Amino acid sequence: GQQLNQSPQSMFIQEGEDVSMNCTSSSIFNTWLWYKQDPGEGPVLLIALYKAGELTSNGRLTAQFGITRKDSFLNISASIPSDVGIYFCAGHLGNAGNNRKLIWGLGTSLAVNP
Amino acid sequence: DTGVSQNPRHKITKRGQNVTFRCDPISEHNRLYWYRQTLGQGPEFLTYFQNEAQLEKSRLLSDRFSAERPKGSFSTLEIQRTEQGDSAMYLCASSLRRETFFGQGTRLTVV
Repeated sequence: GQQLNQSPQSMFIQEGEDVSMNCTSSSIFNTWLWYKQDPGEGPVLLIALYKAGELTSNGRLTAQFGITRKDSFLNISASIPSDVGIYFCAGHLGNAGNNRKLIWGLGTSLAVNP
Repeated sequence: DTGVSQNPRHKITKRGQNVTFRCDPISEHNRLYWYRQTLGQGPEFLTYFQNEAQLEKSRLLSDRFSAERPKGSFSTLEIQRTEQGDSAMYLCASSLRRETFFGQGTRLTVV
């Protein structure tokens, strides 16, 4: 099935560092969503983006909807140990119509060294 | 209402047995989704309901899989004659607008 290109695949950083990850696609999206998933749990919604150019923050997290509508990035500032987990980008295709099924990246695995 | 609820959280079954999972979405959400996730992958779409109508099914959903949402509220996903390849995390999600919220998932292990 269709997937988003998410990078990097994994990151190992020191506590306090900033983190950046991104997703790209060859298709146009009308929604971008960023999720965090802990082992054995379902994805938890972090940030939702609805229009091109939109920049949204949620605490130490900031995400942007790319101008071309084909990409998005997520930044985490001043990382802490509880940021550890897998971060997924997901989105709705521009021609999705009424079915809002999500297209997913493969995830970015984040490890934080205290 | 604290979110999407799934039961059971874990299920171990012998190959060939039938299993059924339940999902209770966020109460006012009219859209309900089932996804399947294997290790190292993002969730894969299985099927979608708007109210009680099942509007789309993925090719991943073989004839052994059936999903229902009889009154437009909770949903069930049944897998008949389970196979080892069915072992995965089964995720339920619901939405009202464009934000989609997930349950904690049901981890199925077929032995």
